[in-house]
Amino acid sequence: DAGVIQSPRHEVTEMGQEVTLRCKPISGHNSLFWYRQTMMRGLELLIYFNNNVPIDDSGMPEDRFSAKMPNASFSTLKIQPSEPRDSAVYFCASSLGTGRNTIYFGEGSWLTVV
Amino acid sequence: TQLLEQSPQFLSIQEGENLTVYCNSSSVFSSLQWYRQEPGEGPVLLVTVVTGGEVKKLKRLTFQFGDARKDSSLHITAAQPGDTGLYLCAGVRGGNTPLVFGKGTRLSVIA
Repeated sequence: DAGVIQSPRHEVTEMGQEVTLRCKPISGHNSLFWYRQTMMRGLELLIYFNNNVPIDDSGMPEDRFSAKMPNASFSTLKIQPSEPRDSAVYFCASSLGTGRNTIYFGEGSWLTVV
Repeated sequence: TQLLEQSPQFLSIQEGENLTVYCNSSSVFSSLQWYRQEPGEGPVLLVTVVTGGEVKKLKRLTFQFGDARKDSSLHITAAQPGDTGLYLCAGVRGGNTPLVFGKGTRLSVIA
């Protein structure tokens, strides 16, 4: 079975440019999460969706970040404009519900903003 | 402030040694999970513990949930190079709230 699929795997962009990260969750999963991982702050939850509806976006750093889930099989995380401090690994993950249910992570999108 | 504190942050040991890593909080969790993350990949679930005092074994790995459900430990017996990775604990405060992760313990097992 296909796991969580993220694209791109690696992106290098210049400060000020728009970045769009994409995610396809595991089929049948109704919860989708966007995390950001850095050495300094570890794995931080940015936003999560239940049944395509954003439930909690309190982890989104600022207005430059936005996320959408137009349907059950696709989500995007957009950064506009990007800044060097946005450099991190961004993970998408999905699960069947929240709480103690297992979360399945994608391989991550490695973003470098120069 | 970090809800889940993991220690040590880094650990480098020789193959065959035993080790224990810790996950501590001042908050109570309804369940706690341990994940392992290898370089270039996402975290993968190892175990979920839900009952205070619970002990689970996964081959050479032993996981324990504290009696008060505020802390957990992971003990590895006879570590092998394949155990190298970032070990993350993650907790659920209750209900359908999402997981909160610690920063992890980065383990390196040298052959």
